[in-house]
Amino acid sequence: EPEVTQTPSHQVTQMGQEVILRCVPISNHLYFYWYRQILGQKVEFLVSFYNNEISEKSEIFDDQFSVERPDGSNFTLKIRSTKLEDSAMYFCASSFVSGIGEKLFFGSGTQLSVL
Amino acid sequence: TQLLEQSPQFLSIQEGENLTVYCNSSSVFSSLQWYRQEPGEGPVLLVTVVTGGEVKKLKRLTFQFGDARKDSSLHITAAQPGDTGLYLCAGAAAGNKLTFGGGTRVLVKP
Repeated sequence: EPEVTQTPSHQVTQMGQEVILRCVPISNHLYFYWYRQILGQKVEFLVSFYNNEISEKSEIFDDQFSVERPDGSNFTLKIRSTKLEDSAMYFCASSFVSGIGEKLFFGSGTQLSVL
Repeated sequence: TQLLEQSPQFLSIQEGENLTVYCNSSSVFSSLQWYRQEPGEGPVLLVTVVTGGEVKKLKRLTFQFGDARKDSSLHITAAQPGDTGLYLCAGAAAGNKLTFGGGTRVLVKP
């Protein structure tokens, strides 16, 4: 079965540093998402992306966050100046279409630790 | 803000027993999905229910969507150790933005 791949699997950074989390969605998918899960808490929606622009974003996704699809295969999440509370598992997901009940495929996640 | 509450948070049973996990909300969802998540992996979709009152079966797993589309349940019959894992429900109100429940950790002891 096709997979969403994320790199790196673990990222350790110092507070205030910029990080870029990378994702390769499934090749024929058109909709891309970032979710995160802080340890012990629920999986939370961050942002959805379609046709090279943000479709929807949550309150968490403030000016410190940005997403980009720099080429035909990668989808990145950038955090400009990391804070301790950004430490979480970040999941990328993709889907072919957007609609009721459409299947999202999740990657294995990047564990971000901000020290 | 839409919330989904799952219960119980943790369930430990013996192999062969049945179990039910509940997912409840005060909000209406256009669809509800159940995922299973293994340690170090992302959630993997098990099923999507869309119609109020809908029941779907996946081998020994039975999923039900409430008539009002506010709640759902996952029932496992004759649980096996391979069913051990974290089960997540997630509701979609519009598009594919998902609201996740807190998860139910199931342990099936041989």
